[in-house]
Amino acid sequence: GENVEQHPSTLSVQEGDSAVIKCTYSDSASNYFPWYKQELGKRPQLIIDIRSNVGEKKDQRIAVTLNKTAKHFSLHITETQPEDSAVYFCAASIAGGLTGTASKLTFGTGTRLQVTL
Amino acid sequence: DAGVTQSPTHLIKTRGQHVTLRCSPISGHKSVSWYQQVLGQGPQFIFQYYEKEERGRGNFPDRFSARQFPNYSSELNVNALLLGDSALYLCASSGVPGNTGELFFGEGSRLTVL
Repeated sequence: GENVEQHPSTLSVQEGDSAVIKCTYSDSASNYFPWYKQELGKRPQLIIDIRSNVGEKKDQRIAVTLNKTAKHFSLHITETQPEDSAVYFCAASIAGGLTGTASKLTFGTGTRLQVTL
Repeated sequence: DAGVTQSPTHLIKTRGQHVTLRCSPISGHKSVSWYQQVLGQGPQFIFQYYEKEERGRGNFPDRFSARQFPNYSSELNVNALLLGDSALYLCASSGVPGNTGELFFGEGSRLTVL
């Protein structure tokens, strides 16, 4: 089955700096790669996702890049703010088929991001 | 519109007991998935149900079972609870085929097994 590795496990940056989190996946059939932000005691919330037919996607301060050949994808957060502090999870799955959805996500182990003043 | 709702939010059980967790998906969503999140780890896939049929199952023992009802709500049942079953159980719903595929998670049911 799919295996997703994520690093670093913890990341501390100063406010205004950039943060980069990297993930690798094992199943070349995976085609959907979401990133979730989870604050303490809260549910995971989708912040950005990318499909295998594109190499990069950007949404304001957040961007994700995908290298299908190397089977890795990364999350980039620019101009970090204290409210960006949370645990971030990458995930991979195969989207499509009967349900058209990507419900069977395989998650990485998470990165705890701390943005200091 | 209401998001994914789960109940109960917190519960405490003892080893050997069973538990039933409930989930109501976003209105119009036909797919419900269950995930287990042990403290400090990422969520792990348990089940997916679509149109009341099991469409996927993760690497969990037969003590775990689930079902989806005609109104698309779902129950997750765990029998013969073990200490290691202590976790946050997340339910996620998603829409009809052809949509973005985004999963919408509920706030979870936190199970503590003593």
